[in-house]
Amino acid sequence: GQNIDQPTEMTATEGAIVQINCTYQTSGFNGLFWYQQHAGEAPTFLSYNVLDGLEEKGRFSSFLSRSKGYSYLLLKELQMKDSASYLCAVRDRVTGGGNKLTFGTGTQLKVEL
Amino acid sequence: SAVISQKPSRDICQRGTSLTIQCQVDSQVTMMFWYRQQPGQSLTLIATANQGSEATYESGFVIDKFPISRPNLTFSTLTVSNMSPEDSSIYLCSVRQMNTEAFFGQGTRLTVV
Repeated sequence: GQNIDQPTEMTATEGAIVQINCTYQTSGFNGLFWYQQHAGEAPTFLSYNVLDGLEEKGRFSSFLSRSKGYSYLLLKELQMKDSASYLCAVRDRVTGGGNKLTFGTGTQLKVEL
Repeated sequence: SAVISQKPSRDICQRGTSLTIQCQVDSQVTMMFWYRQQPGQSLTLIATANQGSEATYESGFVIDKFPISRPNLTFSTLTVSNMSPEDSSIYLCSVRQMNTEAFFGQGTRLTVV
């Protein structure tokens, strides 16, 4: 199976930049996903990395290093609405036929004025 | 993207009873999954719903407790059987095509009293 670790919670200031880290251990890595989940709502897709490097999408960027088993989600120009839980999820080509996602515990981000 | 309709959105049930949750997708999808999310926690995969055959359950989940149906490529049900207060949770349907991100239904918030 996979071990996926994220910080439990983080606090940042409106307008600032925050980096949410995710480390994982998996036998057949086949992609890493970041999801955002507001309280009481379903998770929504933010980004996907399968190759090393940085993927940028507006105020959100995600980085992957497969050799280090490490990813981060970077949020720029933070807004109050970015207060949410951020979930790191890994797909493994060995487990579950390479189809299922395993989620980390999530990082609860609080954006303050 | 896929539009997922999950019903009911919430329910309060008596212990010992069963509840069936429905997941309807607006297009044919390759994979459908059922997750559980307990308060303040991340998503735990219950099972993969297989079209026309028995679901594939994760460790700790069994068919007698969580029977799943998937009669076609757009619809699945999850039943929570013989409920106890420990089953109080949010249950989420998720769909995915090969090599794409997963989409989630809005979830069913279940309270067992």
